Amino acid sequence: GAGVSQSPSNKVTEKGKDVELRCDPISGHTALYWYRQSLGQGLEFLIYFQGNSAPDKSGLPSDRFSAERTGGSVSTLTIQRTQQEDSAVYLCASSLGHPTDTQYFGPGTRLTVL
Amino acid sequence: AQSVAQPEDQVNVAEGNPLTVKCTYSVSGNPYLFWYVQYPNRGLQFLLKYITGDNLVKGSYGFEAEFNKSQTSFHLKKPSALVSDSALYFCAVRDTDYGQNFVFGPGTRLSVLP
Repeated sequence: GAGVSQSPSNKVTEKGKDVELRCDPISGHTALYWYRQSLGQGLEFLIYFQGNSAPDKSGLPSDRFSAERTGGSVSTLTIQRTQQEDSAVYLCASSLGHPTDTQYFGPGTRLTVL
Repeated sequence: AQSVAQPEDQVNVAEGNPLTVKCTYSVSGNPYLFWYVQYPNRGLQFLLKYITGDNLVKGSYGFEAEFNKSQTSFHLKKPSALVSDSALYFCAVRDTDYGQNFVFGPGTRLSVLP
């Protein structure tokens, strides 16, 4: 079946502009995660959605970052007033929701802020 | 709090030789441990996980990992390396006392030399 998809694959924007990144999880997966990966670095947790529960936003680096998950499926990560330090690959993952379940990752969106 | 260490930034091994990529962790509860691989310009692919039971876990592409509770380690191994195994490897832990968040290690770059 289809895996996690993300769009766009690449996004170049100017400093100060807003961007929206989209994630389509695997059908039936109730948990959805966003991570950020800077060049050659590890993964930084951003936000986690589980079903209808309030999201865990503890990893969002500033109030310029926000995310929504509509209808328990598609998620959008929004970065307002982008800064050059926001340049990174943004990865989305989904899972069935149990703590032992595997996270499956999308291909990522490479964001470049000029 | 949970944490993961991957003490080697880079591991070089000759094709056909055994390989080991090291991972140690720290949790307050019980660990769920995962290994992922990332090929260039790709998302993370799941290799294997330890939840409970047999300490030796076998996964995709001939990889295996051994859970060692006393040493708090979960090293990734393969008996005979292939050039195509060259990639970035991430260890991740989920602490049963801390809900659903994963913590990823910084990654180890594996280079298999022909």
